[in-house]
Amino acid sequence: NAGVTQTPKFQVLKTGQSMTLQCAQDMNHEYMSWYRQDPGMGLRLIHYSVGAGITDQGEVPNGYNVSRSTTEDFPLRLLSAAPSQTSVYFCASSYSRYNEQFFGPGTRLTVL
Amino acid sequence: QKEVEQDPGPLSVPEGAIVSLNCTYSNSAFQYFMWYRQYSRKGPELLMYTYSSGNKEDGRFTAQVDKSSKYISLFIRDSQPSDSATYLCAMMVPSGTYKYIFGTGTRLKVLA
Repeated sequence: NAGVTQTPKFQVLKTGQSMTLQCAQDMNHEYMSWYRQDPGMGLRLIHYSVGAGITDQGEVPNGYNVSRSTTEDFPLRLLSAAPSQTSVYFCASSYSRYNEQFFGPGTRLTVL
Repeated sequence: QKEVEQDPGPLSVPEGAIVSLNCTYSNSAFQYFMWYRQYSRKGPELLMYTYSSGNKEDGRFTAQVDKSSKYISLFIRDSQPSDSATYLCAMMVPSGTYKYIFGTGTRLKVLA
């Protein structure tokens, strides 16, 4: 049981480049979320999904896209990276809205 | 004004001390209250999860929620160097839009 896995662990992008952060879970969880963590700001919800084919925006969705074609995977896409998107990104999953969230190890992204 | 306020610390205490960590919030719709522990360069992990007001104890950890004052606390008894981490409070509304808000985190160092 691997839990929540994220790839890559580290990434450096140039402004304007695109990339996809991968997230997968093997716990058959319905809820999956993406957060970004910045100094002095805490964790902020970017997008979330309540099941395959269903996604919605969180607190800071601008500049990010998501889709969920399977229960296991929830990729986060940056279409045109900006320096303001330099952050640590965490993916999380839970069985339901009211259950414990399990977090992945994070992806450290730097946009130059 | 942020919906959830948390003193960032850092907080340094000697081994064996009782530690008190606190968060205040402004949104009375929050019903679920969580405390997460985050070690350096790792994802957060859930420590305590409480619903509505009251106390909950788990080993050396006690979580308190005072909804009338919009104030939550985490107490750590007999603190150990292994408790050195950042502690994040989090809150969730029970229905409607998935709203999961984290505090900025308090960095704790327990000195041997």
